[in-house]
Amino acid sequence: QKEVEQNSGPLSVPEGAIASLNCTYSDRGSQSFFWYRQYSGKSPELIMFIYSNGDKEDGRFTAQLNKASQYVSLLIRDSQPSDSATYLCAALNYGGSQGNLIFGKGTKLSVKP
Amino acid sequence: GAGVSQSPSNKVTEKGKDVELRCDPISGHTALYWYRQSLGQGLEFLIYFQGNSAPDKSGLPSDRFSAERTGGSVSTLTIQRTQQEDSAVYLCASSLVGSPLHFGNGTRLTVT
Repeated sequence: QKEVEQNSGPLSVPEGAIASLNCTYSDRGSQSFFWYRQYSGKSPELIMFIYSNGDKEDGRFTAQLNKASQYVSLLIRDSQPSDSATYLCAALNYGGSQGNLIFGKGTKLSVKP
Repeated sequence: GAGVSQSPSNKVTEKGKDVELRCDPISGHTALYWYRQSLGQGLEFLIYFQGNSAPDKSGLPSDRFSAERTGGSVSTLTIQRTQQEDSAVYLCASSLVGSPLHFGNGTRLTVT
């Protein structure tokens, strides 16, 4: 069973701190990785995607990928209360089943003012 | 269109009735996914369409659930003889192959 594992949280950080969200995946054939943010009662929206080992930065967000360790992370710098949401990690295997895409169950982040 | 469009946004139905949920993907997107999300839970994969290939139906929870995609565009998810456990938000997403998914706003289904 191919899985994407995330700590369900809640992860609580003070405003202005760095929030670190982690994800591991079981399918070594996964090639692309996505982070989605989902506010309560809303649909998931794409935050970051990463294909290559290393770091990818976009504003306050940094995605990190380590394929050898099958580990993906999302760092949120200068966290704001508006960042409070559930963050979903997803792994894509072009040759896999389930439409090639496996989602984790999400980590709930709470940023306290 | 500008984004993935789902209709209706809300649907209340009586137990035992059939319902149809519609998804209009982003123009040109060949991949289309249906997910179900119960309150406070993660995304549950239902079905995946890719171009003219046979759909991946491995996530459909029972034979009461079916979906079709006509002309490689609009998709309809049908639930027959609805049960209370079918109550959830049904999300549709589309993408180009290998690219990130774009989600619609979902249909909130309530079975009374």
